[in-house]
Amino acid sequence: DIQMTQSPSSLSASVGDRVTITCRASQPISNYLHWYQQRPGKAPKLLIYTASTLQSGVPSRFSGSGSGTDFTLTISSLQPEDFATYFCQQSYNIPPWTFGQGTKVEMK
Amino acid sequence: EEQLVESGGRLVQTGGSLRLSCAASGFVFSDYDINWVRQAPGKGLEWVSYISTSGATIYYADAVKGRFTISRDNAKKSVYLQMRNLRQDDTAVYYCAKTGLYNWFDPWGKGTMVAVSS
Repeated sequence: DIQMTQSPSSLSASVGDRVTITCRASQPISNYLHWYQQRPGKAPKLLIYTASTLQSGVPSRFSGSGSGTDFTLTISSLQPEDFATYFCQQSYNIPPWTFGQGTKVEMK
Repeated sequence: EEQLVESGGRLVQTGGSLRLSCAASGFVFSDYDINWVRQAPGKGLEWVSYISTSGATIYYADAVKGRFTISRDNAKKSVYLQMRNLRQDDTAVYYCAKTGLYNWFDPWGKGTMVAVSS
């Protein structure tokens, strides 16, 4: 199975900060990498698919990059509603599809 | 608006069975593959099972293979997850999600809680 490792596991930031989260795959996955946001008590929400394509309705302060094994999610200017947990997910080849362990973005 | 609504979760004893349902609306259900994903309390996300549009192709995570069965009824716009021989580590919120072109998940339902207790 492909292992996905996110870093950091948590971070503290302030409104307006630039935040970067990384996700590393245990083997190359091309661009079959997707990012989700999960607020407490809510279902995950798709932010970015195929590494860098912004889902419709998602603010442009969110961006994604990477290919192969290393990927990043960037929030250019953190807003109050962005304090949440972020997960990456790979969908390379047939299942099992796997998620990173999550990165919790907390208020400093 | 595309929507998925899960139901059927409850408290069940170890070794028991449960059937979860996922009802879809707002899109042509028979055109999309569907997945189940679960999240244990305070933990991350774990993919559980996949079913193709016709039900001809099905996959399971190793942790549930042989105990869970996924199925769908396109006429009822619903997917089901039959869970047998439940264990305490099956305790989780179970989400269904519509599958995107390259197997991303969007949207997700709000989830249904399954608690397995001895």
